[in-house]
Amino acid sequence: EIVMTQSPATLSVSPGERVTLSCGASQSVSSSLAWYQQKPGQAPRLLIYGASARATGVPARFSGSGSGTEFTLTISSLQSEDFAIYYCQQYNDWPLMFTFGQGTKLEI
Amino acid sequence: QLQLQESGPGLVKPSETLSLTCSVSGGSIRTSGHYWGWIRQPPGKGLEWIGTIYYNGNTYYNPSLKSRVIISVDTSTNQFSLKLTSVTAADTAVYYCARDLLRRLDSWGQGTPVTVSS
Repeated sequence: EIVMTQSPATLSVSPGERVTLSCGASQSVSSSLAWYQQKPGQAPRLLIYGASARATGVPARFSGSGSGTEFTLTISSLQSEDFAIYYCQQYNDWPLMFTFGQGTKLEI
Repeated sequence: QLQLQESGPGLVKPSETLSLTCSVSGGSIRTSGHYWGWIRQPPGKGLEWIGTIYYNGNTYYNPSLKSRVIISVDTSTNQFSLKLTSVTAADTAVYYCARDLLRRLDSWGQGTPVTVSS
């Protein structure tokens, strides 16, 4: 079973800052990696898939990079609406399987 | 625009079966390449994939839950369903349904909270 590890668990930041969140896989997942944003009381929202492709409607300040076992999500200039929890998720095509990281909370 | 909506009891007794339905609107559940999944989130915790189904009935389950999970699809009503048997307090969570498009979960329901308690 692939284990996804996110760091840090909580990140205290200020609006306007550039932020980088990390996600590591216990074994290579190639580019089969997605990032989600979740705000309190809401369902997760897909931000990034294929490690670096932005989902429809996602602002350009969000970018993803990495492959294999190390991935990052970068927010170039934090907006107030970006304070949320961010989850990475790896996926296998066969057997079909999804595994989420434990999340990184961005707080003011 | 695709919309998903979970429905089902919000309270289930221990050892009983949790049953939820996801209604899909704004698109067909039979669309080629679109899979449909269930994900849950215990209070204050992270996300856990439960399983996924294709419109032809092919299912894929999280190995940790496989012995207790059944996911089914009803193409005539554009719905898919989750059954989780022998529930315990550890199954208390918000349950989400989502569309799996090429392994990315791009559309989600709002989630439905389920509490396991006597």
